[in-house]
Amino acid sequence: GQNIDQPTEMTATEGAIVQINCTYQTSGFNGLFWYQQHAGEAPTFLSYNVLDGLEEKGRFSSFLSRSKGYSYLLLKELQMKDSASYLCAGLDSNYQLIWGAGTKLIIKP
Amino acid sequence: EAQVTQNPRYLITVTGKKLTVTCSQNMNHEYMSWYRQDPGLGLRQIYYSMNVEVTDKGDVPEGYKVSRKEKRNFPLILESPSPNQTSLYFCASREGQGDVGELFFGEGSRLTVL
Repeated sequence: GQNIDQPTEMTATEGAIVQINCTYQTSGFNGLFWYQQHAGEAPTFLSYNVLDGLEEKGRFSSFLSRSKGYSYLLLKELQMKDSASYLCAGLDSNYQLIWGAGTKLIIKP
Repeated sequence: EAQVTQNPRYLITVTGKKLTVTCSQNMNHEYMSWYRQDPGLGLRQIYYSMNVEVTDKGDVPEGYKVSRKEKRNFPLILESPSPNQTSLYFCASREGQGDVGELFFGEGSRLTVL
């Protein structure tokens, strides 16, 4: 079956670094997405990885290892506005997105 | 401005009273999809459409209908809503079925069925 696993909740301190992990099992693989979702709002796109390695985009970076079925989202210099849920989603062979349940990130001052 | 628009944003209704949640996108996207989001379960796909007049079931289609008569519109119909359909609903679109671009989401429709 298809499955995306990510931690339910994480806590970090303002100004620090946090890594949110995601493991995936999909029927075929056409890439891995990360979305950010503030409470009560729509998800917004953060990153897309299809090749192994690290993609950096400002304070956010995303890593993919296809052989391990593993990705992580790295958030640096955390700000209070980064408090949100982070959704990992794999794109399967039919180009359907398989979603994880999301990781709620709590930032403390 | 590129956007996906859903209406209504909030709705409280009663069991059995048919309702429609509209969704419209202005990006000429071929692919559109409906999701529901419940605490602890993440996004679950209800129906999707790869193009006009083409719709397919997602993971949780029971109790829902959709139509795609025009490219820009993809309404979600609840013929006889039940309390277990109380949820936050999102419409989303992207360029095409085989596209790996980002999914654009509407602002969400919070539905309560009493």
